[in-house]
Amino acid sequence: GENVEQHPSTLSVQEGDSAVIKCTYSDSASNYFPWYKQELGKGPQLIIDIRSNVGEKKDQRIAVTLNKTAKHFSLHITETQPEDSAVYFCAASYTGGFKTIFGAGTRLFVKA
Amino acid sequence: GAGVSQSPSNKVTEKGKDVELRCDPISGHTALYWYRQSLGQGLEFLIYFQGNSAPDKSGLPSDRFSAERTGGSVSTLTIQRTQQEDSAVYLCASREGQYTEAFFGQGTRLTVV
Repeated sequence: GENVEQHPSTLSVQEGDSAVIKCTYSDSASNYFPWYKQELGKGPQLIIDIRSNVGEKKDQRIAVTLNKTAKHFSLHITETQPEDSAVYFCAASYTGGFKTIFGAGTRLFVKA
Repeated sequence: GAGVSQSPSNKVTEKGKDVELRCDPISGHTALYWYRQSLGQGLEFLIYFQGNSAPDKSGLPSDRFSAERTGGSVSTLTIQRTQQEDSAVYLCASREGQYTEAFFGQGTRLTVV
C-alpha cells in the first residue's frame, strides 16, 4: 500500500548549521510532494512543495530535492534559526486522486 | 471564512458515547481531508472527500468511524461507542486542487475517559 517513511524522527542542530530531513515513498505514481511545518498547538502549514517533473526547488533558506528513480525526496534548511524549531512532515500525493499520505514527522530543535 | 474551522476545539467524552466532529472548509475547496494525530505522533490519514463523495475510506480505523460531507462544504466525522484509544487530535484540511496547498484547521482534541 501507499507509505511514506521519514528520517530522522528527531534532529538537533546548532543555530546557523544546516538541517536535512529525508523521505521515501512507495507508490511510483506519486507526483506531488509537499512539506509542512507544525508548531506547538497549531495545524501543519505548507512551507515548500515540489512536483514530479522538477528535481529541485529553492525558496530562500529552504530547498527540496526529488529523486524519482530512487523514490527519495529531502528537505534542506540552511542557516537554521531558533524559530525553525518545530515538527516537519513530508507528504506524497497520488496520481489517482487527491489522496495525500504524510510521513511520521521530524522534530527539529535548533539550539541558540 | 478565512480558514478551515473545526468545532469543538476540545471534547471530553465518556467511553462508549458517540461524538461528532465538525469541519468547515475554505469556501470553494473541493477536496476535504480528515487526519488523526496522536500525542507526539504523525498524521494518520482517515478519509478524504472530492466534492460530496469519498473515493477513499481506507484509513478509517474501524466501522465505528464514519464521515459525511454535504453540499460540497461542511463535513462531519462521527465516532460511535468511543474507546480510550480514540483519544487524539483530529485534524481537517481542505484544498482547491491537486497540486495546491492543503490548509489545516486547528484540530479537535478528543479525550475519551
